Amino acid sequence: NAGVTQTPKFRILKIGQSMTLQCAQDMNHNYMYWYRQDPGMGLKLIYYSVGAGITDKGEVPNGYNVSRSTTEDFPLRLELAAPSQTSVYFCASSYPQLPYEQYFGPGTRLTVT
Amino acid sequence: AQKITQTQPGMFVQEKEAVTLDCTYDTSDPSYGLFWYKQPSSGEMIFLIYQGSYDQQNATEGRYSLNFQKARKSANLVISASQLGDSAMYFCAMREATQGGSEKLVFGKGTKLTVNP
Repeated sequence: NAGVTQTPKFRILKIGQSMTLQCAQDMNHNYMYWYRQDPGMGLKLIYYSVGAGITDKGEVPNGYNVSRSTTEDFPLRLELAAPSQTSVYFCASSYPQLPYEQYFGPGTRLTVT
Repeated sequence: AQKITQTQPGMFVQEKEAVTLDCTYDTSDPSYGLFWYKQPSSGEMIFLIYQGSYDQQNATEGRYSLNFQKARKSANLVISASQLGDSAMYFCAMREATQGGSEKLVFGKGTKLTVNP
């Protein structure tokens, strides 16, 4: 099993550009999540999904969009990138049962200049 | 108000000694869970240990144990016999229900542990 994979690993965007961060998991997990980690901080939830076709906002959703057309994939879309979106982005997934342990991808380091 | 508080921005420990990383939490939900994750300099998030609010015994996983004091709302991570490879950021996180019916993690700001030879 590859677990949770994320692409790209690094990306530099100019202000106003758009991009999609890809996330895929092969563990047949229902729940998937997107977090961002700013320097020196813990992770904050951007969006989550409980299954294909169902998504909901987390703590910091502004400037982002998600879709979940399959169980495996959960892409995160950045529209009109801003310097405040410079961060490391983590995708995670979990089974819908205790203890709801989340398995994390390796992260995408995004810089907006 | 912060739901997860880690009061130690940085900690130092000598190799082979034990170290305790503090975590306090705030919730009114009787059912919750607490996780500890390790983030080495390479950046990945590594699950270490989990404690459920109804678990009667403190969780242990190899050299990691969780000192769970429910009345004090604390869930401190104890690492025994520290190794150089334990140098990393350590995050405490609490599982809480979302409006959408799943569970999310709320993270503390982390503690940077440095193990000295």
